[in-house]
Amino acid sequence: RKEVEQDPGPFNVPEGATVAFNCTYSNSASQSFFWYRQDCRKEPKLLMSVYSSGNEDGRFTAQLNRASQYISLLIRDSKLSDSATYLCVVNADSSYKLIFGSGTRLLVRP
Amino acid sequence: SAVISQKPSRDICQRGTSLTIQCQVDSQVTMMFWYRQQPGQSLTLIATANQGSEATYESGFVIDKFPISRPNLTFSTLTVSNMSPEDSSIYLCSVERTGGLYNEQFFGPGTRLTVL
Repeated sequence: RKEVEQDPGPFNVPEGATVAFNCTYSNSASQSFFWYRQDCRKEPKLLMSVYSSGNEDGRFTAQLNRASQYISLLIRDSKLSDSATYLCVVNADSSYKLIFGSGTRLLVRP
Repeated sequence: SAVISQKPSRDICQRGTSLTIQCQVDSQVTMMFWYRQQPGQSLTLIATANQGSEATYESGFVIDKFPISRPNLTFSTLTVSNMSPEDSSIYLCSVERTGGLYNEQFFGPGTRLTVL
């Protein structure tokens, strides 16, 4: 079983749609959780950290369920510029070491 | 976030040769990391580089193949030694910054390496 699992997609949605990505992680000792965005041929950029209380940043909402070891990302009112690969990332064993999921590809069409 | 630069941005190398990749940060950081992203795959941590101590390598990566230097708090190098086509990847450095509840990592632009 992979340490961090994501649906690879692609998710193909029209502009304005709401889309949700899910991610599961296997290490119950993980303490830090993140969503990164990676554009084609670019480095990953931190989109948001994910807290137990859930957090929102504009059109983006992230939630964490520690009991189910599950992380989600909701994007509302999708824009063409949201097209990218979204990486679910958790730390390993409370350490600085990050474990990356394989990513979920999003395509937003006009 | 930190401003991170890497050199070279890309290179094409012959097998058996070595390439040294540089990572420069605009401010002092304690922890720097080197990752590899093979074609079509996600990121894998190669090693952690702390100033004043030897790098810590992850399983599957060894110092002879990927020697790392960390001479000060703003700079690190990763060398890919005795390259083979299987080393063709993007190599990224990252730094850790305290942010909110978690320490967060920020990545350099990457070095795209092709080995012929």
